[in-house]
Amino acid sequence: DTAVSQTPKYLVTQMGNDKSIKCEQNLGHDTMYWYKQDSKKFLKIMFSYNNKELIINETVPNRFSPKSPDKAHLNLHINSLELGDSAVYFCASSLGQKNTEAFFGQGTRLTVV
Amino acid sequence: QQPVQSPQAVILREGEDAVINCSSSKALYSVHWYRQKHGEAPVFLMILLKGGEQKGHDKISASFNEKKQQSSLYLTASQLSYSGTYFCGTGNSGSARQLTFGSGTQLTVLP
Repeated sequence: DTAVSQTPKYLVTQMGNDKSIKCEQNLGHDTMYWYKQDSKKFLKIMFSYNNKELIINETVPNRFSPKSPDKAHLNLHINSLELGDSAVYFCASSLGQKNTEAFFGQGTRLTVV
Repeated sequence: QQPVQSPQAVILREGEDAVINCSSSKALYSVHWYRQKHGEAPVFLMILLKGGEQKGHDKISASFNEKKQQSSLYLTASQLSYSGTYFCGTGNSGSARQLTFGSGTQLTVLP
């Protein structure tokens, strides 16, 4: 079974559209994240959720909104997509304690045309 | 602030050694190392905490010098499977929640 799964794997959409990326983890972790990796491979944290509470929001435009229906899911909704949003988005999870590793999903390659 | 990794890229032959460095301008509590193969997700390698500890993982080990705010990843007798991009993530606590990743070091191991 996949530990952290996200869908879709590829997403091509036009500017101005609204899209969502889903993420689920079956590890029993209490913290989930969204990372954005651009074409230069910079891996930048966007959000993290701990026990359904947003605890980090790193200067992300408010067009991006994380939604967590329960501890095992953290979806990413993006409004009014722009060309600069094209990137690979990774979901990850960890135990919200010290000295723990993060497990990443396989990524969603978003292309805005 | 993002940690600085060096070198940006390195190419070596199977069996050779490599060192990847990670430095920060801020005081560190922890350093996390991840490897990402092309088209795949980053995979955890190890965590080091302040106290200058050194950890090992097969032929991959790392050190953390909190005074210098630096960590180094050592790859010994490189294998083809070591190829990928290595990221260090630095944090001011032990939790992965507050990690800031470096720009990555692309390692290519040739036969």
